[in-house]
Amino acid sequence: SAVISQKPSRDICQRGTSLTIQCQVDSQVTMMFWYRQQPGQSLTLIATANQGSEATYESGFVIDKFPISRPNLTFSTLTVSNMSPEDSSIYLCSAQPGGNYGYTFGSGTRLTVV
Amino acid sequence: DAKTTQPPSMDCAEGRAANLPCNHSTISGNEYVYWYRQIHSQGPQYIIHGLKNNETNEMASLIITEDRKSSTLILPHATLRDTAVYYCIVRLPYGQNFVFGPGTRLSVLP
Repeated sequence: SAVISQKPSRDICQRGTSLTIQCQVDSQVTMMFWYRQQPGQSLTLIATANQGSEATYESGFVIDKFPISRPNLTFSTLTVSNMSPEDSSIYLCSAQPGGNYGYTFGSGTRLTVV
Repeated sequence: DAKTTQPPSMDCAEGRAANLPCNHSTISGNEYVYWYRQIHSQGPQYIIHGLKNNETNEMASLIITEDRKSSTLILPHATLRDTAVYYCIVRLPYGQNFVFGPGTRLSVLP
């Protein structure tokens, strides 16, 4: 299965600032996914990122708040913009390396906004 | 919305088999059943998946009922390290994202 490296693993940020999270896959993948996991909750999909096209956002998430880049088949970034304490969550990326296998997830970025 | 129903929590004694149930009564004919788990502060980990036949790998066994409306994940000899939230997800193969429900919080007790 693929290995996904995600960084930073954690960060504490001031409100009003932005943080960019990076996700690197060790093999080429068509789609990458970004999830948010709020404290004590399950995972919620933010958006799907295809290489060469704009990301597709789920209801409740907008590009201005969570811009995503997908410059090639192994890399993606998620930016959390103009942060507020409500953005404090774990952010995870995932990808399906190929075939009908389960997705691999990164280890997550634990974000605290103060 | 998640298409599965799982008990919110379960306990299991260390060394015993952990049987985690999942109901997916609206599953369609070409949807697979996937199981993931999430150990505290880590990303979800793939465990196993199946369509209609029972499956086994080095981590677990998946038993799917003949009508495919429910399944059971079996951890044959649970250890303390198996304490985690276990998610049962139904999904079409290839390309569709995973929709996570609340899962089952399994506590393996010494």
